[in-house]
Formats: sequence, C-alpha cells, structure tokens
Amino acid sequence: NAGVTQTPKFQVLKTGQSMTLQCAQDMNHNSMYWYRQDPGMGLRLIYYSASEGTTDKGEVPNGYNVSRLNKREFSLRLESAAPSQTSVYFCASRGTNQPQHFGDGTRLSIL
Amino acid sequence: AQSVTQPDIHITVSEGASLELRCNYSYGATPYLFWYVQSPGQGLQLLLKYFSGDTLVQGIKGFEAEFKRSQSSFNLRKPSVHWSDAAEYFCAVGQNNDMRFGAGTRLTVKP
Repeated sequence: NAGVTQTPKFQVLKTGQSMTLQCAQDMNHNSMYWYRQDPGMGLRLIYYSASEGTTDKGEVPNGYNVSRLNKREFSLRLESAAPSQTSVYFCASRGTNQPQHFGDGTRLSIL
Repeated sequence: AQSVTQPDIHITVSEGASLELRCNYSYGATPYLFWYVQSPGQGLQLLLKYFSGDTLVQGIKGFEAEFKRSQSSFNLRKPSVHWSDAAEYFCAVGQNNDMRFGAGTRLTVKP
C-alpha cells in the first residue's frame, strides 16, 4: 500500500546546481501536485497536472519546471537552485472528487 | 481572493481536555473543506472532509468538524485530547485543483 512515494527524502545542494525531485503514485489518480512548505506559510502550490500530458502553474512556479512522465509519475526540476528554494517539498495525488493524498516529503537545503 | 486563516499558530492543552482548532476561509463558491494532520517529518494525513450534506462531519482519531456557512468557518474539535494528538494541523479549502491551505496550528499536549 505505497500510496505516494517521493525520492529522495533529503538533499543538500549548492547554489546553481540542478536537481530533479521524483514522485510516483500507485492509486491510478489523474491529478498530481507539487507543493512547498515553509514555516508559517502552510503549503503553497508550485505546479499541478490535472491529467497525463498536461501541466499548469500554481501559486509559486518561478524557478521550477515539471514533467508528467506518465499517469504514475510527476517530477519537479530545479534548473539552478537558489537558497530561497530551501524548503520541504510535497507531492500529492487526487482521484476525481476525492481529497489529496500526500507523500512524506523531500527536505531540500540549498547552500 | 481565496484565502484560509487559522488564527491560532500554537495551542497547548492538557491531556484529556477538549480541543477546538479554528479555521476561517474566503472563497467565491461553496468549497470543499478538509482538515489534515502532520506529525514531525511526515506528510499530511487526511482527518476529515466536507463535500456536501450534513454540516457536522466525523473523521478519524475521534475528530469532528462543523461547517458553518454563515461564518465561513470549519472548526475542528475533539472532546478529549490524547498525548499522541500532538502535531500540526492544517485546514484546506477549495475545489478540484484550486486548493488553499492555512498556515497551520501546532498543538502541544501537556501531561
């Protein structure tokens, strides 16, 4: 019963490095999401994918790109990491008229 | 503009005491409403949801919440708190791919 799986769980980068965060779900959900969580700010939506082959910007998309590789997988890429992108990143998926299911997060530090 | 407010950043209650966490929202239409709980180092777990119908909803772990349309509120309650309830609680409001999260309320439980 894996649900939503995120890799890696922890990562430290240097400013300017690139990285891809991976997310996979096994619930056959159409919609997938990437959020960032910062202290005192709750979760903010970076990008989402309403279905395979589509992606849309959320509230804070700058500095990020995404790929919906197939129905199961939705990756988040930082092309040139900046210290302001230090955060905890959560992937979520959702079935039709259902609540979102979350992964355990990726803790990313950028020095 | 859509927004979610959790007025209490941090609440401390004694074990066995009752609990109420507040959530107020601003949303154009009648939204779906959710409460999630997050333990340290974990993802968000759904406690309960309101889509329509009875405005008092029951969730897991003995939690309940009441939707009050006139007050734009969806407060979370529990009659008797257990030490294991110590965590951060997030209210979320929205429809489909437009989901907004509150900043969270951290609950501390005193022995």
